[in-house]
Amino acid sequence: GALVYQYPRRTICKSGTSMRMECQAVGFQATSVAWYRQSPQKTFELIALSTVNSAIKYEQNFTQEKFPISHPNLSFSSMTVLNAYLEDRGLYLCGARDGSDYTFGSGTRLLVI
Amino acid sequence: QQNVQQSPESLIVPEGARTSLNCTFSDSASQYFWWYRQHSGKAPKALMSIFSNGEKEEGRFTIHLNKASLHFSLHIRDSQPSDSALYLCAVSGTGGYKVVFGSGTRLLVSP
Repeated sequence: GALVYQYPRRTICKSGTSMRMECQAVGFQATSVAWYRQSPQKTFELIALSTVNSAIKYEQNFTQEKFPISHPNLSFSSMTVLNAYLEDRGLYLCGARDGSDYTFGSGTRLLVI
Repeated sequence: QQNVQQSPESLIVPEGARTSLNCTFSDSASQYFWWYRQHSGKAPKALMSIFSNGEKEEGRFTIHLNKASLHFSLHIRDSQPSDSALYLCAVSGTGGYKVVFGSGTRLLVSP
């Protein structure tokens, strides 16, 4: 079956520093990878969608300058949160598309101190 | 811009009850519909999906989709305390690439 490994599971970073999270699709080739953030008490907001043979598309309120994404091949994607501040804390989720379904990783919980 | 809303925001039901969760979407071209369940501190897990109008049943869970009314729902028969979680609906449009999550319904099943 399709699996998505996401790491780290949780991380703490000092305010103003950056942290990188990674997403690995196992057992399938992901034609697209989506990155989401769930802020405390909120639903998942789409940050950006990376689709094969297309430019990475960022949603309103999210920018490449703040959340640069690398998608070098069909099984791996990474996203960095640059200059993290308190409002960036939350659960970050990557989802990789396998056919018509997305398989989600276990999430990276970011705490900013 | 797809707008996905869920109701109610929260729900408390007794064990054994039938629970209904609702989701509305704004894009009539939407093609793929999912329900996810998220337990506290964990990533969401897919419960069920449906791609055409009608009904689909898996165990105690039934999903209904009515594209004309821009509405789909999840029904849980014989609700159990272990069903207590945040339920998220998700919708995607043509191609199924961009998935938008609903606002969530927090369900508590009391023993």
